[in-house]
Amino acid sequence: KAGVTQTPRYLIKTRGQQVTLSCSPISGHRSVSWYQQTPGQGLQFLFEYFSETQRNKGNFPGRFSGRQFSNSRSEMNVSTLELGDSALYLCASKQGTNTEAFFGQGTRLTVV
Amino acid sequence: AQSVTQPDIHITVSEGASLELRCNYSYGATPYLFWYVQSPGQGLQLLLKYFSGDTLVQGIKGFEAEFKRSQSSFNLRKPSVHWSDAAEYFCAGGLGTDKLIFGTGTRLQVFP
Repeated sequence: KAGVTQTPRYLIKTRGQQVTLSCSPISGHRSVSWYQQTPGQGLQFLFEYFSETQRNKGNFPGRFSGRQFSNSRSEMNVSTLELGDSALYLCASKQGTNTEAFFGQGTRLTVV
Repeated sequence: AQSVTQPDIHITVSEGASLELRCNYSYGATPYLFWYVQSPGQGLQLLLKYFSGDTLVQGIKGFEAEFKRSQSSFNLRKPSVHWSDAAEYFCAGGLGTDKLIFGTGTRLQVFP
């Protein structure tokens, strides 16, 4: 069974640009969550989607958004990039509510 | 507020020595608890999980963890560390559909 797949693995963007990251969950998993990992703030929750609906949201500005498609694949978008958005963005999928989360390899975003 | 604390930022052990990584949680109710491992530039790999039941849980790679309600702890242990165990270890807690809350991580260094 394939794991969680995130694309692309690496991105370099310029301040002010926008970026879209993609996540394909494990087959059969309907919940997808996104986390931001930085050296200073550690792992922080961005949002969770379940059956195309945002079920939970972290404390991030509105520049961070996401969506989930009917096949459970998810995308997150960051608009008007800032230097501080440079981070490893991790996607995780879960089969159900009270189950463990499996993480992808992450997308390393660098904003210059 | 809910929190997960890993008191040790960095631990160094000799190969073959035993290991214990500490994790404490603060939740209104007993959360689900997890240990993840992360190699440089990689995603998070699930080592083990606790939902309920037996307080001693076995995971992959020879790791185990013990849930102690009285101490609000979920410490990770391994009887004999291998050089390949060098990585960063994260303890995390969650409740139902809620987000995962991660500790700040413990970096494990293994000397030959």
